[in-house]
Amino acid sequence: RKEVEQDPGPFNVPEGATVAFNCTYSNSASQSFFWYRQDCRKEPKLLMSVYSSGNEDGRFTAQLNRASQYISLLIRDSKLSDSATYLCVVNTWGYQKVTFGTGTKLQVIP
Amino acid sequence: DVKVTQSSRYLVKRTGEKVFLECVQDMDHENMFWYRQDPGLGLRLIYFSYDVKMKEKGDIPEGYSVSREKKERFSLILESASTNQTSMYLCASSSPGLPSNTGELFFGEGSRLTVL
Repeated sequence: RKEVEQDPGPFNVPEGATVAFNCTYSNSASQSFFWYRQDCRKEPKLLMSVYSSGNEDGRFTAQLNRASQYISLLIRDSKLSDSATYLCVVNTWGYQKVTFGTGTKLQVIP
Repeated sequence: DVKVTQSSRYLVKRTGEKVFLECVQDMDHENMFWYRQDPGLGLRLIYFSYDVKMKEKGDIPEGYSVSREKKERFSLILESASTNQTSMYLCASSSPGLPSNTGELFFGEGSRLTVL
């Protein structure tokens, strides 16, 4: 089983739609969770951290479910500029490294 | 502005050649990482370093070595390039302490290596 798993998509959604991605992780000792965004042929960049209580940044909401070992990203009112690949990232204490999921591709269509 | 610079955006090498990929960061970060990214496999950690002259193997270190002689510079070396090392290579750095303290890895633009 992969350490971090994501549905690769693509998710094709119309502008203005709400879309959600999930990511599951296998190591229950994982401590920190993040979403990165990667545009085509560009490097990944941090989108947001994921806190236990859930957190929101504008149209983006991240949630963590430790019991079921998954994190989620919700995007409301999708924009064309949201088209990208969204990478789930998990850090596990003691291993001193971060593990990336393979990414979920989002395409927002006019 | 934060900057991670990779020396070459595109390289074409022949099987058996020695390849050097250089990465420099200007943020005084202690942590530096080398990943490779392949379709369907995502980013996989090759090596990382938490201090000068210090290195740790990641998930796929075979066929690679690294060098960290100065804090700002982290080099990836392919001693004898093979076709299965054709990939996008991404260098990253992060703030002092564990990545979990900040969460933010700053990436270079990547080096696309083709081995013929």
